[in-house]
Amino acid sequence: AQSVTQLDSQVPVFEEAPVELRCNYSSSVSVYLFWYVQYPNQGLQLLLKYLSGSTLVKGINGFEAEFNKSQTSFHLRKPSVHISDTAEYFCAVSAPQGAQKLVFGQGTRLTINP
Amino acid sequence: EAGVAQSPRYKIIEKRQSVAFWCNPISGHATLYWYQQILGQGPKLLIQFQNNGVVDDSQLPKDRFSAERLKGVDSTLKIQPAKLEDSAVYLCASTSRTSAAEQFFGPGTRLTVL
Repeated sequence: AQSVTQLDSQVPVFEEAPVELRCNYSSSVSVYLFWYVQYPNQGLQLLLKYLSGSTLVKGINGFEAEFNKSQTSFHLRKPSVHISDTAEYFCAVSAPQGAQKLVFGQGTRLTINP
Repeated sequence: EAGVAQSPRYKIIEKRQSVAFWCNPISGHATLYWYQQILGQGPKLLIQFQNNGVVDDSQLPKDRFSAERLKGVDSTLKIQPAKLEDSAVYLCASTSRTSAAEQFFGPGTRLTVL
């Protein structure tokens, strides 16, 4: 069984400051890793994913994440945030085959202050 | 390409009433998922379909929840009778073999049980 822990439920940041959202996972097998973003009253949108290969993954809107197998982490980073990045962010894992269910963390609410 | 469609967007019912949600996945996506997202939590898988067959319904409360995907395209999720704890957002997602493990989410249906 897989599980995901997002270490911060809320992260307040000033505009143009860097941000890191932390995610740790637990699994007895290798995994695929994902970060999704959810804007108010909307569904989830994929930011980025790690399937294999380079451990540094770049996504949309200037976000990137690094897969660290030894620490079982997949932290999300952005060097300079904007007001429009205010949203809920979810880390998720799945088994390493196609069309597998996603197991989500509890979410991190990112609030950008002007 | 049209995204995942869901209806209704909002529903308010009394406890012990019945309710149904509809989902139309992206054209050609063989795999369809229903997730339940309780306020303040990450989405949790209720049921996964591959074409019109059930792949995983281990977390579906079968005494009150049912789902079908009769023609392998659109799907309906039903709750009968509803309980207060069923208040949540119900998200539908779909994927295909060529989606590289990405799931595409609809906007969700927000259910309030009074």
